[in-house]
Amino acid sequence: GAGVSQTPSNKVTEKGKYVELRCDPISGHTALYWYRQSLGQGPEFLIYFQGTGAADDSGLPNDRFFAVRPEGSVSTLKIQRTERGDSAMYLCASSPSAGSRETQYFGPGTRLLVL
Amino acid sequence: AQSVTQLDSQVPVFEEAPVELRCNYSSSVSVYLFWYVQYPNQGLQLLLKYLSGSTLVESINGFEAEFNKSQTSFHLRKPSVHISDTAEYFCAVSGVQGAQKLVFGQGTRLTINP
Repeated sequence: GAGVSQTPSNKVTEKGKYVELRCDPISGHTALYWYRQSLGQGPEFLIYFQGTGAADDSGLPNDRFFAVRPEGSVSTLKIQRTERGDSAMYLCASSPSAGSRETQYFGPGTRLLVL
Repeated sequence: AQSVTQLDSQVPVFEEAPVELRCNYSSSVSVYLFWYVQYPNQGLQLLLKYLSGSTLVESINGFEAEFNKSQTSFHLRKPSVHISDTAEYFCAVSGVQGAQKLVFGQGTRLTINP
């Protein structure tokens, strides 16, 4: 079946603008994760959904970042008043159920560049 | 809280040579351990994981990793590498209980020279 998909694959925006990044998880997967990967670094956790609710948002760097998953499937990561430091690869992953032993399946990522 | 250290940012080896990619972790609780691989222009994919039982785990393409609790390590090895193994490798941990998130190391870029 189809894997995790993310759109757009690349996003260029200007400092101060608002952006939305979309994630379509594998069908039937109840858990969904967002990570951010800066150049030369490993992915860093942002937020995790179990169903429609954010179970853990401890990785969101500040209140400019927000994510939703209103119907328990597609998720959108929203960044307000973008800053140059937000430039990174944003990764989405899903897993069949909650549980730290579950394999997370990653999408190809959205590369965000803030000018 | 957990942290992961991958001691080598880059590892160049010749084709058919053995390789070891090192990973050490720190955690106050029991953890599950993972190796993910990112091939050029592809997304992260699971290579292998340790959950419980035998401390030696293997992947389908010849990699293996051994969980060493006393040394808090989970090094990745392959006895003979191929050009197709060229990729970036990430070690990750998650707590057995509590937060579901993965904590990743900085990654090791494996380059295979013919």
